[in-house]
Amino acid sequence: ETGVTQSPTHLIKTRGQQVTLRCSSQSGHNTVSWYQQALGQGPQFIFQYYREEENGRGNFPPRFSGLQFPNYSSELNVNALELDDSALYLCASSLRASVGTGELFFGEGSRLTVL
Amino acid sequence: KQEVTQIPAALSVPEGENLVLNCSFTDSAIYNLQWFRQDPGKGLTSLLLIQSSQREQTSGRLNASLDKSSGRSTLYIAASQPGDSATYLCAVLGHAGGTSYGKLTFGQGTILTVHP
Repeated sequence: ETGVTQSPTHLIKTRGQQVTLRCSSQSGHNTVSWYQQALGQGPQFIFQYYREEENGRGNFPPRFSGLQFPNYSSELNVNALELDDSALYLCASSLRASVGTGELFFGEGSRLTVL
Repeated sequence: KQEVTQIPAALSVPEGENLVLNCSFTDSAIYNLQWFRQDPGKGLTSLLLIQSSQREQTSGRLNASLDKSSGRSTLYIAASQPGDSATYLCAVLGHAGGTSYGKLTFGQGTILTVHP
């Protein structure tokens, strides 16, 4: 059973650029969530995808968008990067077998630095 | 709006001590509570998950309790070791709005250092 994998592990961008982060969910998991973790803070919920549709969103602007593919993998896209977007981006997968009981499994994250 | 607070923010103990990390949350309408471990620059490793109907979970030297009515959880680490040094995060799974499955709301973490 493979775990959650994310790519790239590290990347550096400049203000105004766009970035795409990728996540492969754990085998058998059909729900993917994305979290942003600024240095010294707890992770913040960005959004969640289920059946290729956004299924819940946190307090993040529309320039944060995502996709989920038929194989349940996912992408996080951020447009018009700002300095405050520098953070560790974490992907988590879970199985939506029944409401509320699922455990979330996290990847190692993608460290984004915006200069 | 759910808020999760962890106390203390940092803790330094000698090897062998038993210790308690505290977590409190403001909205008791949760599905479950998870404790995670995070090593510097790394992702999150799930330690224990307590369903809302449960009172505690144990795994090895770790024991977590949940009192949903008072909005509190504790993580007890027995006989601490230097390898336990990490940031420990508490998170509650609640509604994410609409028909969504749920979202985790995290505390800011407790940075634990266990020195030999």
